[in-house]
Amino acid sequence: KAGVTQTPRYLIKTRGQQVTLSCSPISGHRSVSWYQQTPGQGLQFLFEYFSETQRNKGNFPGRFSGRQFSNSRSEMNVSTLELGDSALYLCASSRATEYEQYFGPGTRLTVT
Amino acid sequence: GQNIDQPTEMTATEGAIVQINCTYQTSGFNGLFWYQQHAGEAPTFLSYNVLDGLEEKGRFSSFLSRSKGYSYLLLKELQMKDSASYLCAVRDREDSSYKLIFGSGTRLLVRP
Repeated sequence: KAGVTQTPRYLIKTRGQQVTLSCSPISGHRSVSWYQQTPGQGLQFLFEYFSETQRNKGNFPGRFSGRQFSNSRSEMNVSTLELGDSALYLCASSRATEYEQYFGPGTRLTVT
Repeated sequence: GQNIDQPTEMTATEGAIVQINCTYQTSGFNGLFWYQQHAGEAPTFLSYNVLDGLEEKGRFSSFLSRSKGYSYLLLKELQMKDSASYLCAVRDREDSSYKLIFGSGTRLLVRP
């Protein structure tokens, strides 16, 4: 069974730009969660989607948004990028919210 | 509020046993997970506890005491490849939704 895939793996953007990251969950998994990981803050929860609906949201500004499609694939968007948005963005999928999550390899975003 | 504490770093010797502790405070505790993360890689699922007691899985065991807000991960017969960060994560339930809150992780160094 293929694992969680994320594209792109690496991205360099300039302050003020926007970015869209993509996540394809494990086949049959309907829940997708997004996390931001930085050396100083660790892994922080961004949001979770289940059956195309946002179920939960972390404490991030409105510049961070996401969506989920009918095939469970998910995208997250960050608008008006700031230097502090430089991080590893991880996507995790699970069969449903209450099950263990399986992480993708992440997208390393660098904002210059 | 929500808070998860674990030691920042630990060192142990190959072949030995090491215990990584995690204490937590959440309002809607609904399970505790342990993940392993090698440098530059995504976290991988190790164990899950929702009831008090010990869960054993090969060289890894995880213990939970809900009344004390305490868990530990026990690694036996340490191998060099066990050098990694170990993340304690608590699933917190708010209304009808869940989110996973991660500790900052414990960096384990296994020495020959």
